[in-house]
Amino acid sequence: DAGVIQSPRHEVTEMGQEVTLRCKPISGHNSLFWYRQTMMRGLELLIYFNNNVPIDDSGMPEDRFSAKMPNASFSTLKIQPSEPRDSAVYFCASSLTQHTDTQYFGPGTRLTVL
Amino acid sequence: AQKITQTQPGMFVQEKEAVTLDCTYDTSDPSYGLFWYKQPSSGEMIFLIYQGSYDQQNATEGRYSLNFQKARKSANLVISASQLGDSAMYFCAMRVLYNTDKLIFGTGTRLQVFP
Repeated sequence: DAGVIQSPRHEVTEMGQEVTLRCKPISGHNSLFWYRQTMMRGLELLIYFNNNVPIDDSGMPEDRFSAKMPNASFSTLKIQPSEPRDSAVYFCASSLTQHTDTQYFGPGTRLTVL
Repeated sequence: AQKITQTQPGMFVQEKEAVTLDCTYDTSDPSYGLFWYKQPSSGEMIFLIYQGSYDQQNATEGRYSLNFQKARKSANLVISASQLGDSAMYFCAMRVLYNTDKLIFGTGTRLQVFP
């Protein structure tokens, strides 16, 4: 079975540009999570969805970040405008249901903002 | 507040030996889950093992076992018969159940296995 799929795997962009990260969760999973990993802050949750509905976006750093889940098999995380401090690895994860199930991570997108 | 602490930034172990990676947690909620993930140099996060707070027995998955000591609030990962491919970062994480789905991660331990 396919795991969580993320694209692109690497993204290099210039400050001020819009960046869109994409995620396809494991088929049948109802919860989707976006995490960010940096050396300074480690792994932190940005936002998560359950049944395509955003449940907790308290980790989204600021208005430049937005996330959508238009259907059960696709989610995007958008940064507009991007800044050098947004450089990080962004992970998408999914789980079968809320609360009790293991979260399986995608391979991550390494974002570099110059 | 929930917190995960991993006090070992780095560990070395010889191939075929066992190694224990420490993890302590802090929560006042009675229902929670503890997870270990492996992150090799390629960057992906690989789920290893899960322990629920009400589980009576320590979790095991192949060469991985979780030494769960509830009173001490510790959830150490034991890797038996280490292999060179076990060299990676290892993260302990906690989720408080029926409250939030947020996984709270520790800072990680870098394990290096040498021949």
